Amino acid sequence: ETGVTQSPTHLIKTRGQQVTLRCSSQSGHNTVSWYQQALGQGPQFIFQYYREEENGRGNFPPRFSGLQFPNYSSELNVNALELDDSALYLCASSLAGGPGGYTFGSGTRLTVV
Amino acid sequence: AQSVTQLGSHVSVSEGALVLLRCNYSSSVPPYLFWYVQYPNQGLQLLLKYTSAATLVKGINGFEAEFKKSETSFHLTKPSAHMSDAAEYFCAVISSGGYQKVTFGTGTKLQVIP
Repeated sequence: ETGVTQSPTHLIKTRGQQVTLRCSSQSGHNTVSWYQQALGQGPQFIFQYYREEENGRGNFPPRFSGLQFPNYSSELNVNALELDDSALYLCASSLAGGPGGYTFGSGTRLTVV
Repeated sequence: AQSVTQLGSHVSVSEGALVLLRCNYSSSVPPYLFWYVQYPNQGLQLLLKYTSAATLVKGINGFEAEFKKSETSFHLTKPSAHMSDAAEYFCAVISSGGYQKVTFGTGTKLQVIP
């Protein structure tokens, strides 16, 4: 059973640029959620994807968008990067309908300069 | 909306001492509650979960938590701290509704003093 894998592990972008982060869900999981964790804070929910559609969103602007693919992997896209977007981005997968908990990846550390 | 509150952003204990990390939840329906641990520069690892079965939940690495409805609490304990327990701990709740969103507390950093 594979866990959740995220890529890249680190990247540095310039303000105004666009970035794409990738996530492969755990085998058997059909739901993917994305979280932003700023330094010294708890993770904040960005959105969740199920059956290739967004089915829940936190308090993040539209420049944060995502995709889920038929194999349940997912992408997080952020346009017009701002300095405050610097954070650890965590992907979590789960099985819809069950309270079994989420399996988290190790995250992507994004630095915007 | 459901939420969790973690009391104490930093907790220090001596090696071998009891670890107690506090979490209180707010929920209008029976919640699902979780504790996660995060080591520096890593993702979140599930320690244990409460899903309305036994109120005393045992997790990995010797941790356990007790669900107390009357106190709306889900405190995390470990009888004897190890140096390797130094990390940040997050209490979390799953919201009800059309989708399951995990809402995290603000975290408690545990320092273990040799």
